[in-house]
Amino acid sequence: QITLKESGPTLVKPTQTLTLTCTFSGLSFSTSGVGVGWIRQPPGKALEWLALIYWDDAKRYSPSLKTRLTISKDTSKNQVVLTMINMDPVDTATYYCVHTFYYDSSGPRAFDIWGQGTLVTVSS
Amino acid sequence: DIQMTQSPSTLSASVGDRVSITCRASQSINDWLAWYQQTPGKAPRLLIYKASSLQSGVPSRFSGSGSGTEFTLTISSLQPDDFATYYCQQYKNYSPYSFGQGTKLEIK
Repeated sequence: QITLKESGPTLVKPTQTLTLTCTFSGLSFSTSGVGVGWIRQPPGKALEWLALIYWDDAKRYSPSLKTRLTISKDTSKNQVVLTMINMDPVDTATYYCVHTFYYDSSGPRAFDIWGQGTLVTVSS
Repeated sequence: DIQMTQSPSTLSASVGDRVSITCRASQSINDWLAWYQQTPGKAPRLLIYKASSLQSGVPSRFSGSGSGTEFTLTISSLQPDDFATYYCQQYKNYSPYSFGQGTKLEIK
């Protein structure tokens, strides 16, 4: 059974850097095809895809946020870390960690497992 | 970037009704389309992937169809647990992923 859990600060100040950690179980980056990503949702608004990292360290970012995001993985700790620089009140949202998979024969999968999410508020 | 547009934004229906939600992509995404269900305070749940494949554990009253740029999620007979917000998402390979703006399914 795959589980993912997000952790990090609940409150950050404008201009600060946000660092979120996704800790997972039931999967490993040692397995070819595994991917873990981040999605956010401002209160009362739609979902927004942020970033994705695969077992082979391939990374993908939202074009609109690419200059502010960095995603990395620690295979030994079963963790994925997302950093977002220069936080603004509009970045207030629930941030979700998600699992996906990439099959060489058939391409990417949808996000089949989601973490519970963590609410991050940006305010001075 | 590929834009996803859902319609309607809000849908009112009754238990037992058959309802459909439409999702349009700004360019062809073949069948790289997923549907998610979200209830208040919870993480989204994958319902449909590859436009028409039912995720394991999802009731068979949910179905998806379409390819290219136009897709539909259909619920054949609404149950009380189905009143939620639904999102489509494209995950075309080598493109940035994107979601629709959501459709809120309300009790009439």
